[in-house]
Parts: sequence; C-alpha cells; structure tokens
Amino acid sequence: DAGVIQSPRHEVTEMGQEVTLRCKPISGHDYLFWYRQTMMRGLELLIYFNNNVPIDDSGMPEDRFSAKMPNASFSTLKIQPSEPRDSAVYFCASTTSGGHYTGELFFGEGSRLTVL
Amino acid sequence: SQQGEEDPQALSIQEGENATMNCSYKTSINNLQWYRQNSGRGLVHLILIRSNEREKHSGRLRVTLDTSKKSSSLLITASRAADTASYFCASISSNTGKLIFGQGTTLQVKP
Repeated sequence: DAGVIQSPRHEVTEMGQEVTLRCKPISGHDYLFWYRQTMMRGLELLIYFNNNVPIDDSGMPEDRFSAKMPNASFSTLKIQPSEPRDSAVYFCASTTSGGHYTGELFFGEGSRLTVL
Repeated sequence: SQQGEEDPQALSIQEGENATMNCSYKTSINNLQWYRQNSGRGLVHLILIRSNEREKHSGRLRVTLDTSKKSSSLLITASRAADTASYFCASISSNTGKLIFGQGTTLQVKP
C-alpha cells in the first residue's frame, strides 16, 4: 500500500517567494496533520484536519502560513512570502479516527525547505 | 511547547549492547508512543503504551510507563547497527487532544 506522499522532497527558494508543499494522505484516513521539524524547536504541530475541515491551526506560526484540504486525498501548506527562518523539514501525517485517539500517525518522508 | 523531554539527547553504544532512552512529559496523557526516525526520513510508529499499562513488549523493544512520575522508558535489547536512528516519545495531552513530540534521542550503534 502507498504511504503518505509528500512533494517536493526538497525545495530551495529565495526569501519572499511563495512556497507550496503538497501531501496525499493514506486512502481512507480521515485525519491529516502538518508538522514542522527544526533542530532548535523539534517537531511542532502546525495544523490538523478531520474530514477535510481544519480543526486546530493554533500552531501555524503566522499569517504567512496557510493550509488547505480541498478533498480527502490532497492537502497543501503554503508559505507566502517565505523567510529564511521558515527553513525546516515539513512533515505530513495521516491517521484514522481510531488512530487519532491512540496517536498512531503515519508520516510522509517530509519536504525539506531551504529559504535563502 | 514540548510535551515530552527526552534523556539522553545522544547515545552511542556497541552492537549487541542494550540501549535505554527516557522520556518525561508534563500533562495527563491518554497514552504514550515511541517513534523512530532514520536520517532524512519520516517518523515510523514503534509502540504504544496506554495510561493504564505499566510495561509493554514488542520484539526487542520494551517500554515502561510510570504515570506517577510522568515518565517512560524505551529499552532496545541486543542492539544492531540498523537501530541507528533518532527515537521520539509522543503523547496526546488529555487537555488539548494533540499529539506532541519530545526532542528525541539520537542513537548510534557501532558495528
């Protein structure tokens, strides 16, 4: 079975540019999470969706960040405009309703973003 | 803020030795999980222990949970070079319902 698929795997961009990260969750999973990983702050939960609806976006750092889930098989995380401090690895994860309450998340391989 | 703090931050052992990693958390939890992350890869779920359990085994993994001390430990027995990775504890806060990760322990197993 295909796991969580993220693209791009690597992105290098210049400050001020728009960045769009994409995620395809595991089919049948109704929860989707976006995490950010840095050396300084570790893994931070940015936002999560249930049945395509954003449930908690309190971890989104600022208005430059936005996330959407137009359907059950696709989500995007957009940064506009990007800044060097946004450089990190961004992970998408998904799970089922039962998995949400147990916490067993399935992670993608991540998108490594470098903002110059 | 991090729900879990892990100790040690880094651990280097020889193949065949046991590796023990500790995790402390702050709030009441429903359960606690451990994840593994190989360099440059995503996290992989290893094992889950519920708040009413004290110990759980899965292959070479042994997890303990002490809710009175708000702490957990992960023991990897008979380590292998392939166990080299970062290990994270994670817990769902009873207050927020969110899965929050610790800072992780980087394990190096030397062949």
